[in-house]
Amino acid sequence: DSGVTQTPKHLITATGQRVTLRCSPRSGDLSVYWYQQSLDQGLQFLIQYYNGEERAKGNILERFSAQQFPDLHSELNLSSLELGDSALYFCASSVDPGTEAFFGQGTRLTVV
Amino acid sequence: GIQVEQSPPDLILQEGANSTLRCNFSDSVNNLQWFHQNPWGQLINLFYIPSGTKQNGRLSATTVATERYSLLYISSSQTTDSGVYFCAVERGGRRALTFGSGTRLQVQP
Repeated sequence: DSGVTQTPKHLITATGQRVTLRCSPRSGDLSVYWYQQSLDQGLQFLIQYYNGEERAKGNILERFSAQQFPDLHSELNLSSLELGDSALYFCASSVDPGTEAFFGQGTRLTVV
Repeated sequence: GIQVEQSPPDLILQEGANSTLRCNFSDSVNNLQWFHQNPWGQLINLFYIPSGTKQNGRLSATTVATERYSLLYISSSQTTDSGVYFCAVERGGRRALTFGSGTRLQVQP
């Protein structure tokens, strides 16, 4: 158990819908990262937050947004979903950027 | 951005065999991690090793930062070692891990 908790584990939804993925980082970790793993793109960095503020953006679509709350949990919002958004979404956390990152078990999103 | 190349892409071993997985990266890094993704999709931390050598049971890793590569050694492989092994690196400015495409390992009984 990495100490990073993601919910839900599985999610099936229709095209055009909106979903929210939740992540609770390890106790004491201030940095939260979101990654997407799809078959054709591999593991891609989406966005990073540090102590409530956005720190870095990767290949995140405009239809996607995220935030980190005062209690340090984070949510990733995916809207206007398309079939191609089907993927495994991971959250990771670390004490500081550059230190060891630990990953949650992922949320498997299927868009039908 | 930084490029991360892993080799070989696929590897099939008999139980008990040893193997070496390689990770080459294109620029200096502040962080390098090895992960094992098991058949259930979980990403399990193996090593945090921006430089030097570490060992954990049957696994060991070496990173030569000046030559921009890292090696993961698996000895006496077991069927439970099957899965995909990822190398991921971070440059200071990017502040997020960039993953290689992985090595898919299958250990046969």
